[in-house]
Amino acid sequence: KAGVTQTPRYLIKTRGQQVTLSCSPISGHRSVSWYQQTPGQGLQFLFEYFSETQRNKGNFPGRFSGRQFSNSRSEMNVSTLELGDSALYLCASSLFGTATGELFFGEGSRLTVL
Amino acid sequence: GQNIDQPTEMTATEGAIVQINCTYQTSGFNGLFWYQQHAGEAPTFLSYNVLDGLEEKGRFSSFLSRSKGYSYLLLKELQMKDSASYLCAVNTNAGKSTFGDGTTLTVKP
Repeated sequence: KAGVTQTPRYLIKTRGQQVTLSCSPISGHRSVSWYQQTPGQGLQFLFEYFSETQRNKGNFPGRFSGRQFSNSRSEMNVSTLELGDSALYLCASSLFGTATGELFFGEGSRLTVL
Repeated sequence: GQNIDQPTEMTATEGAIVQINCTYQTSGFNGLFWYQQHAGEAPTFLSYNVLDGLEEKGRFSSFLSRSKGYSYLLLKELQMKDSASYLCAVNTNAGKSTFGDGTTLTVKP
């Protein structure tokens, strides 16, 4: 079966802009979770969506938001971009959710903020 | 909050055995995962422990002691392709996941 697909793979933005990233989970998976990965901070949990509802949220400012559609595809949005938002954004899909399930990660979207 | 510690780097020789440790402090523990991440690639699942003891899967084994807040990943018969970052992740029963910073393993011939 197809894996987790993230788009775009690479993008460059400038400070103050906003960005939307997309994630299509494995067919049948209802949980999508998002992570930010940077060399200094490692992999940090942003939020999890399950059946179109945000189920959990990490410690990120309100500039980071997300949503999930009825087909389980998810988007995350970052508004008013800052230089520190430059990172690899990974999404992961799971059958039962992050609490108990194995996570299947996409290749990530690498965001550079200039 | 949650705190996860694992060594930053380790080096081992092809064919040898290496043990990567992970210690954690958390409330509402609900399982510990190990993931492997090759440079420039997505993390991939290796193992899951929720009860104390050893889980074996081929060349890889993972151990958990909940009372000590301790886990290790054991890699046997090391191969060059095992050079990667190994991430320890702890889940809570509130559904949150916290990842360690990862251990970069370099396997040398």
